[in-house]
Amino acid sequence: GEEVAQTPKHLVRGEGQKAKLYCAPIKGHSYVFWYQQVLKNEFKFLISFQNENVFDETGMPKERFSAKCLPNSPCSLEIQATKLEDSAVYFCASTAGGEQYFGPGTRLTVT
Amino acid sequence: AQKITQTQPGMFVQEKEAVTLDCTYDTSDQSYGLFWYKQPSSGEMIFLIYQGSYDEQNATEGRYSLNFQKARKSANLVISASQLGDSAMYFCAMREEGGSQGNLIFGKGTKLSVKP
Repeated sequence: GEEVAQTPKHLVRGEGQKAKLYCAPIKGHSYVFWYQQVLKNEFKFLISFQNENVFDETGMPKERFSAKCLPNSPCSLEIQATKLEDSAVYFCASTAGGEQYFGPGTRLTVT
Repeated sequence: AQKITQTQPGMFVQEKEAVTLDCTYDTSDQSYGLFWYKQPSSGEMIFLIYQGSYDEQNATEGRYSLNFQKARKSANLVISASQLGDSAMYFCAMREEGGSQGNLIFGKGTKLSVKP
């Protein structure tokens, strides 16, 4: 598609539950990035992919966060055993090599 | 140390006037890229403008221009003829050496309010 698609738009989870977020990058873009935005301003880079391969995962909290980009499937970001501090908007972005195009984000609320 | 600093948490501008949003950056890389994004209250991230570290000319896109001063490590966004729809958060971001696939490092943003 011509836009980065993210689902769901909103997700509410009780503390300790699992959350799974999805991202479909723009067709032809081989790089996918996940960012976490807390409190409407602080962005944190989580992980990036080159096609289905992890490119950079230096921002990932490894204990509970995992991500995949499999061929012919949306990319996914999974949080096991969510904590209150995971409440944020999670953005996916893709690029073919220039500017990064962002999806609309998934707002995760952990209660 | 912060890599991207936006010192203005909030700014006001009168409609139809120009406004400059400040951004300074810190990197030891020779090759890097600087970006500005707009985030309206609806939450989406809209790409505005890009400046490469080797670009000699300041980038311009319509009413947006980037005042790039490499020696001072600043990349200020200038919005000319402000419109009410320009009211939003504005984020400066940098992509360091690592090629076009590197992740973005964001500043904390500036909230711009355009007054009628």
